Amino acid sequence: ILNVEQSPQSLHVQEGDSTNFTCSFPSSNFYALHWYRWETAKSPEALFVMTLNGDEKKKGRISATLNTKEGYSYLYIKGSQPEDSATYLCAFNAGNMLTFGGGTRLMVKP
Amino acid sequence: GAVVSQHPSRVICKSGTSVKIECRSLDFQATTMFWYRQFPKQSLMLMATSNEGSKATYEQGVEKDKFLINHASLTLSTLTVTSAHPEDSSFYICSAWTGRPYGYTFGSGTRLTVV
Repeated sequence: ILNVEQSPQSLHVQEGDSTNFTCSFPSSNFYALHWYRWETAKSPEALFVMTLNGDEKKKGRISATLNTKEGYSYLYIKGSQPEDSATYLCAFNAGNMLTFGGGTRLMVKP
Repeated sequence: GAVVSQHPSRVICKSGTSVKIECRSLDFQATTMFWYRQFPKQSLMLMATSNEGSKATYEQGVEKDKFLINHASLTLSTLTVTSAHPEDSSFYICSAWTGRPYGYTFGSGTRLTVV
C-alpha cells in the first residue's frame, strides 16, 4: 500500500494571506505527481501534473514544486481569495493508477 | 474538453436494494475508467479499474460480486452496488483516462446513503 500524506488537513486563512501545503509520497517508482482542486459538488479540477525532479509549475497565483528524491511536493497560493476555498488533493502516479492523499481543506475568510 | 458526467449525484436507497451509478465520457472515448470510494475523513481509495469490453480489475478487499462494473462501450461505465447495506454508504467517484499524457478527468461523484 502506497502512503501519500498531505498536511495540514485543514487551513483557515484571511483573504490576502499566502499559504502552502505539503504532499509527501514514496520516492521510488515515481511516474508523476498530480495536484487537483476540488470544490464541493463539482469534479476535481486538475491543477498541475509534475514529472521531473525540481519541476516548478505556475498557474496564476498558484504554484507547485516537486522533489522526487525526497518524496515531497509543495503547493503555494499567493494572496488567497475566498474563491480559492476548496480541498486540494495530491495524487501519486505509479504506472496506470493514482494514489491520493487525504487532501488539505482550505478556507479563505473575506 | 474531456468531460465525464456522473449520475446520480445523490441517492438514498433501502437496505437490500441495488443502485446503479453511471459515468459517461461526453467528448472523448474512455477506454479505461477508474472507480473510487471515499469514506468520511479518508482519502479517495481505488476500488476497481475497468477497460472497455473486458472484465474489471478489483483492488484487494473489494467484493466484485457486490460492486458490479460494466464498461460495455467507450463512453459509458456503470457501477452497480448490489444488495446494498448501510456500510456501503459512501461517496463514489469515477475517473477516466483521457489518453492525453497524464490526462485523468473525474466525474462529480455520487453520495450513496443506504437506510
